Amino acid sequence: GENVEQHPSTLSVQEGDSAVIKCTYSDSASNYFPWYKQELGKRPQLIIDIRSNVGEKKDQRIAVTLNKTAKHFSLHITETQPEDSAVYFCAATAGGGADGLTFGKGTHLIIQP
Amino acid sequence: DADVTQTPRNRITKTGKRIMLECSQTKGHDRMYWYRQDPGLGLRLIYYSFDVKDINKGEISDGYSVSRQAQAKFSLSLESAIPNQTALYFCATTGGGGARYNEQFFGPGTRLTVL
Repeated sequence: GENVEQHPSTLSVQEGDSAVIKCTYSDSASNYFPWYKQELGKRPQLIIDIRSNVGEKKDQRIAVTLNKTAKHFSLHITETQPEDSAVYFCAATAGGGADGLTFGKGTHLIIQP
Repeated sequence: DADVTQTPRNRITKTGKRIMLECSQTKGHDRMYWYRQDPGLGLRLIYYSFDVKDINKGEISDGYSVSRQAQAKFSLSLESAIPNQTALYFCATTGGGGARYNEQFFGPGTRLTVL
């Protein structure tokens, strides 16, 4: 089955700086790579996703890149703000997600004022 | 997302007890999932269902069973709860209808403690 590794487990950045979270996956059949944000005590919510036929996707301050050859994908957050503080999870799956998602272990992003 | 609800939100039970967690959705989605979240381990898939007649095991199904009573309802049971099943449990749903890629929508979670 799929295995997803996520780094770092904790990331502290100054407000206004950029943050990068990296994930690797093992199954070359994986074709859908979503990123979820989970605030304390809340449910995970999708913030951005990328499909295997695309190398990069951007939505305002958030971008995701995918390198299928190396089997890794990354989340980039620019101009970080206090409300970006949360736990971020990457996930990977084949079949577009129909059979469920395999998640990384999460990154706790801390935005320092 | 208010369209996916879970009951109870919190539950404390004792070792050996049977417990059921329920999930309902009004999104009209075909596919429903149960995940377990443990600190430092992310979310792991327990079971998933494509419709009332289609139930599939996930990564960590041992010790759990499920029932899909209707398109909108998917229940998770612990037949004989044990302390290492203490965790936060999430239900999720996603649409089908031939779509190739599907966002999963999560319920608010059920915090289960087994003493």
